[in-house]
Amino acid sequence: AQSVSQHNHHVILSEAASLELGCNYSYGGTVNLFWYVQYPGQHLQLLLKYFSGDPLVKGIKGFEAEFIKSKFSFNLRKPSVQWSDTAEYFCAVNALGNTDKLIFGTGTRLQVFP
Amino acid sequence: NAGVTQTPKFRILKIGQSMTLQCTQDMNHNYMYWYRQDPGMGLKLIYYSVGAGITDKGEVPNGYNVSRSTTEDFPLRLELAAPSQTSVYFCASSRGTENTEAFFGQGTRLTVV
Repeated sequence: AQSVSQHNHHVILSEAASLELGCNYSYGGTVNLFWYVQYPGQHLQLLLKYFSGDPLVKGIKGFEAEFIKSKFSFNLRKPSVQWSDTAEYFCAVNALGNTDKLIFGTGTRLQVFP
Repeated sequence: NAGVTQTPKFRILKIGQSMTLQCTQDMNHNYMYWYRQDPGMGLKLIYYSVGAGITDKGEVPNGYNVSRSTTEDFPLRLELAAPSQTSVYFCASSRGTENTEAFFGQGTRLTVV
């Protein structure tokens, strides 16, 4: 069955530190990949998405992610985090032609201190 | 531009009570989804629908029912509320499955006591 793993459950950083959140999925076919962000008390918002083409995708607020097909990974990165990046981050995968359902990882809680 | 609208935002139910969580979208999306979010568990898919009149089970459907009589509306029904259904519920919609993104509602925080 399709699954998504996020290995970092809770990350604590100081402002200006670099960020990388891991995401791995289990499906050998074509996928659509997403990172969503949930700020405290709010709903999920799309951060970035990969459908096809350039495996390095750029999203809002300086975030980027790289799709590495051979590693079944879609890690999220930001060179310099800000206090306002404090939120929960979810990786999601749609395994095309398999379940065609959007399946989420367990999320990573990011806390950024000034 | 409302997007996906959920009501109510908060609700407290007693064990055994029933209720319907409402979800409506104004983007003419075919696909709609219900997720529940529990701390440390991420989002789990409860039910989804690929169009009016068509629904299917997700990862955690037990204790819930859905219907899709129109493109716009996708209500989620809890028939006999249990404490295990205490959660935050999110409705989402998308144009399709391939190369589309899902849009989420603001969520419904449900507590069963």
